[in-house]
Amino acid sequence: AQSVAQPEDQVNVAEGNPLTVKCTYSVSGNPYLFWYVQYPNRGLQFLLKYITGDNLVKGSYGFEAEFNKSQTSFHLKKPSALVSDSALYFCAVRDRMDTGRRALTFGSGTRLQVQP
Amino acid sequence: DAGVIQSPRHEVTEMGQEVTLRCKPISGHNSLFWYRQTMMRGLELLIYFNNNVPIDDSGMPEDRFSAKMPNASFSTLKIQPSEPRDSAVYFCASFSGQAWGETQYFGPGTRLLVL
Repeated sequence: AQSVAQPEDQVNVAEGNPLTVKCTYSVSGNPYLFWYVQYPNRGLQFLLKYITGDNLVKGSYGFEAEFNKSQTSFHLKKPSALVSDSALYFCAVRDRMDTGRRALTFGSGTRLQVQP
Repeated sequence: DAGVIQSPRHEVTEMGQEVTLRCKPISGHNSLFWYRQTMMRGLELLIYFNNNVPIDDSGMPEDRFSAKMPNASFSTLKIQPSEPRDSAVYFCASFSGQAWGETQYFGPGTRLLVL
């Protein structure tokens, strides 16, 4: 079975400060990991993913995420937050070993609030 | 490509009425997913199809919900009869299935309100 935990319901950060949105996962094999962002009244938009290779993945809008296998984490980061980054962020996982399950497993989401 | 297309974008109906939500996946994608999002329960997977065949419908809440995928370019999610607790945003997503690392893409959602 695969699962994702996003331990923070909400993260507050001041504009210009670095931000981190946490994600930990559990899979039987090795993971494919994804981050999505949802702006108000919109669908989920793909941000970035880890497939293999470099543990630091860069994505859209200046976001990056670091895959840490020993800590089973895939935290989302950005060096300098913008007010426009305020949104709901979802982490998701797909287990490489679970070839029968094509669906992603999503975390509960973290609301990021960037204050001006 | 236009991305995943959903219709209608908004639906307001009265309790007891039938509701049909529609989805057109990205061309060439062979897996299609229906999700429901509510404040209380977050993002829930309802059902998914692979090559037009339902693979996992364990998330479908009850018999009032049904989903079909008659061909590779069209799927419907039907609620009959609808109830106020069905009010939510329903998302459709698709995935190429060519490799497990491929991205799953979401449609804009249908916001359903059952009065």
